[in-house]
Amino acid sequence: AQKITQTQPGMFVQEKEAVTLDCTYDTSDPSYGLFWYKQPSSGEMIFLIYQGSYDQQNATEGRYSLNFQKARKSANLVISASQLGDSAMYFCAIPSQGGSEKLVFGKGTKLTVNP
Amino acid sequence: GAVVSQHPSRVICKSGTSVKIECRSLDFQATTMFWYRQFPKKSLMLMATSNEGSKATYEQGVEKDKFLINHASLTLSTLTVTSAHPEDSSFYICSAGTSGRVYQETQYFGPGTRLLVL
Repeated sequence: AQKITQTQPGMFVQEKEAVTLDCTYDTSDPSYGLFWYKQPSSGEMIFLIYQGSYDQQNATEGRYSLNFQKARKSANLVISASQLGDSAMYFCAIPSQGGSEKLVFGKGTKLTVNP
Repeated sequence: GAVVSQHPSRVICKSGTSVKIECRSLDFQATTMFWYRQFPKKSLMLMATSNEGSKATYEQGVEKDKFLINHASLTLSTLTVTSAHPEDSSFYICSAGTSGRVYQETQYFGPGTRLLVL
């Protein structure tokens, strides 16, 4: 079964600095994708970035980028130039086995950006 | 991007009553919708997968008779918490899938519904 591990319950970063949020995964699917979502205190899940397992390059989306290391089964999210509005929970997710649209989420990392 | 709405955003009810939560895809047709439950400071746990015109598929451990799911149209799925009890208090989030494209952004999440059962 698919599994996502986020080992950092909480992270702190100074405004304008970069931060890396860790995510490792376990899957037996030969092809898969990794997702990152942001959940502010209001509760909505905001899609940030997607990485396909066969993508040649690491995904980037504005200030968000993925440090994808397939052999190590890790897909760490890098947020550059942190802003106060980045304070939120961040979840890494992978589709359920067999390419299903169902997502399996990690436990999340709470990021706090300090002024 | 695609928009998914949920109604109500918050609901407080007495123990023993039933509560219906609606999930709508506003500008696209969603053949598949997903219902998640999230406890405070916890991750999202998938409850069930809802397919338009067919019975929902429930995850292991989720009571089908407790959490009734109806997906009557391509833009609407409802979750009814029947005979709600305080332990059902939680944050319920739906998402709508754009089926057929698994390896892209395939799910759009609603804003969630906070249920408090007194």
